[in-house]
Amino acid sequence: KNQVEQSPQSLIILEGKNCTLQCNYTVSPFSNLRWYKQDTGRGPVSLTIMTFSENTKSNGRYTATLDADTKQSSLHITASQLSDSASYICVVTMDSNYQLIWGAGTKLIIKP
Amino acid sequence: DVKVTQSSRYLVKRTGEKVFLECVQDMDHENMFWYRQDPGLGLRLIYFSYDVKMKEKGDIPEGYSVSREKKERFSLILESASTNQTSMYLCASSLPSGGARWGETQYFGPGTRLLVL
Repeated sequence: KNQVEQSPQSLIILEGKNCTLQCNYTVSPFSNLRWYKQDTGRGPVSLTIMTFSENTKSNGRYTATLDADTKQSSLHITASQLSDSASYICVVTMDSNYQLIWGAGTKLIIKP
Repeated sequence: DVKVTQSSRYLVKRTGEKVFLECVQDMDHENMFWYRQDPGLGLRLIYFSYDVKMKEKGDIPEGYSVSREKKERFSLILESASTNQTSMYLCASSLPSGGARWGETQYFGPGTRLLVL
């Protein structure tokens, strides 16, 4: 079954600290993997996209990694800021039909 | 900047009412999508459209219908609202997927939080 699982479900860290969010998938065939950020009361916004051949992609303080062999991705946030408080959603695109398989998200809370 | 707007941020309806949710995008995107988002679940696709007057069922189309009469506008209709349709509804748009893998980024509206009493 094609699934995307994210961990942890929620995370609370202090401002200025780093954190890493995990995404494991069983989607096949694989096309690409995206991380979205969803602020409370808003729609998701794309952060990064990674294809099979890419294993690292950065967007400012956000760095996504992809291990296509183990079917795992992570999103690392450096020097967290209060504005990083949001849900982070991992989504994998299937190569056969471009169907998107969405994870349930990780809710990140940054405390001052 | 891509802009996707949704007609209402919050909506309260009674069971059995007909509900219209509207979505408008200004980037001339071919694809438009309706999702619902519930706590603890990933986004679930209700319907999508890849062209004017074209529609495809997603994962959970039951109880919903859609209309796309113009390229920029995609409407979700709840024919007879029920309490289990209380949810956050998200509209998104994107460029076509086929043959253009990088064109699949979806741009979302702010969402409509619907409460059915």
